[in-house]
Amino acid sequence: ETGVTQTPRHLVMGMTNKKSLKCEQHLGHNAMYWYKQSAKKPLELMFVYSLEERVENNSVPSRFSPECPNSSHLFLHLHTLQPEDSALYLCASSQEVGGPSTDTQYFGPGTRLTVL
Amino acid sequence: QKEVEQNSGPLSVPEGAIASLNCTYSDRGSQSFFWYRQYSGKSPELIMSIYSNGDKEDGRFTAQLNKASQYVSLLIRDSQPSDSATYLCAVKALNAGNNRKLIWGLGTSLAVNP
Repeated sequence: ETGVTQTPRHLVMGMTNKKSLKCEQHLGHNAMYWYKQSAKKPLELMFVYSLEERVENNSVPSRFSPECPNSSHLFLHLHTLQPEDSALYLCASSQEVGGPSTDTQYFGPGTRLTVL
Repeated sequence: QKEVEQNSGPLSVPEGAIASLNCTYSDRGSQSFFWYRQYSGKSPELIMSIYSNGDKEDGRFTAQLNKASQYVSLLIRDSQPSDSATYLCAVKALNAGNNRKLIWGLGTSLAVNP
């Protein structure tokens, strides 16, 4: 596989379920991101991992729990979600080398999440 | 609050015409600028990146950056129906507190009519 992959591509869950989203990047990058994309809203950055360490968390509710076991894999654990959490969840990766001319992010295909 | 503004559209152009997409940003310290294309139901894919004032051309696409006026634009020459998508502008500030954070616009919807 090449690029950034995400599974599952579609997920329907009830509010009491626990599920996990998986992301894998095959680009040799050292930073990974979770974004949420809802209708009529700009992309919302949820979490950033650089060198497997979480470096940013934009005040995301605790019902979303990220995990980054290594630089190629990223998970988003979901529990007791709300219907308003229904959205497209995108994973991205980039190579962090510093300076203003870096940090092009490459996206996976996304997981379309529906919370009933 | 750092912001990136785009006209949501839809921008409708005939096939073969030039499509012009514009983006303004609020943070004067911004250093990196990106245009992504997103087809309906798909994820964003990078079209162009630009870092210096002026024009940058790649095939039918030209990105234009004017830091003094704080705008970046994307021109698509010889527009094709396959160019119909939402175009997202993203801007990274030099000292955003975290170099990895991009500020995203809402996107401009482009429709190229055969």
